[in-house]
Amino acid sequence: KAGVTQTPRYLIKTRGQQVTLSCSPISGHRSVSWYQQTPGQGLQFLFEYFSETQRNKGNFPGRFSGRQFSNSRSEMNVSTLELGDSALYLCASSLDGQGYGYTFGSGTRLTVV
Amino acid sequence: AQSVTQLDSQVPVFEEAPVELRCNYSSSVSVYLFWYVQYPNQGLQLLLKYLSGSTLVKGINGFEAEFNKSQTSFHLRKPSVHISDTAEYFCAVSDQGLRDMRFGAGTRLTVKP
Repeated sequence: KAGVTQTPRYLIKTRGQQVTLSCSPISGHRSVSWYQQTPGQGLQFLFEYFSETQRNKGNFPGRFSGRQFSNSRSEMNVSTLELGDSALYLCASSLDGQGYGYTFGSGTRLTVV
Repeated sequence: AQSVTQLDSQVPVFEEAPVELRCNYSSSVSVYLFWYVQYPNQGLQLLLKYLSGSTLVKGINGFEAEFNKSQTSFHLRKPSVHISDTAEYFCAVSDQGLRDMRFGAGTRLTVKP
């Protein structure tokens, strides 16, 4: 069974640009969550989608947005990139409420220069 | 909302010695508890989880954790560590709908020969 796939693995962008990251969850998983990981702040929750609806949101500015498609694939978008957005962005999928925990992708390493 | 505190940011230990990584949580509702491991430039891998039932939970790679409700703790233990256990370990807590998983700051375990 395929795991969680995140693309691209690495990305370099310039300040002010925007970026879109993609996540394909495990087949059958309808919940997709996004996290930002930095050395200073650790793992911070961005948002969670279930059945194409944002169900939960962390404390990030409106520049961070996401969506989920009918096949459960999810994208997150960051507009007007800042240097501080450089991070590892992790996507995790789960069987909603089934207690199996999250299965994480390998992440997208975003560097803003 | 729930939160997690990992009491040690770094734990150095010699190979074949026992190790305990400490985790305390707070929540106003019943929770699920997890331990994840992260190797460099990778996503997080589930080590073990507590959902209900027996308070002693066994996971992969010889790790186990004990849920202590009165002390709101979920410490991770291994009786004999290997060099390959060197990694970052994250404790996480989630509501029972798995709609909002919060992570601790992580503990870097370094196993020395």
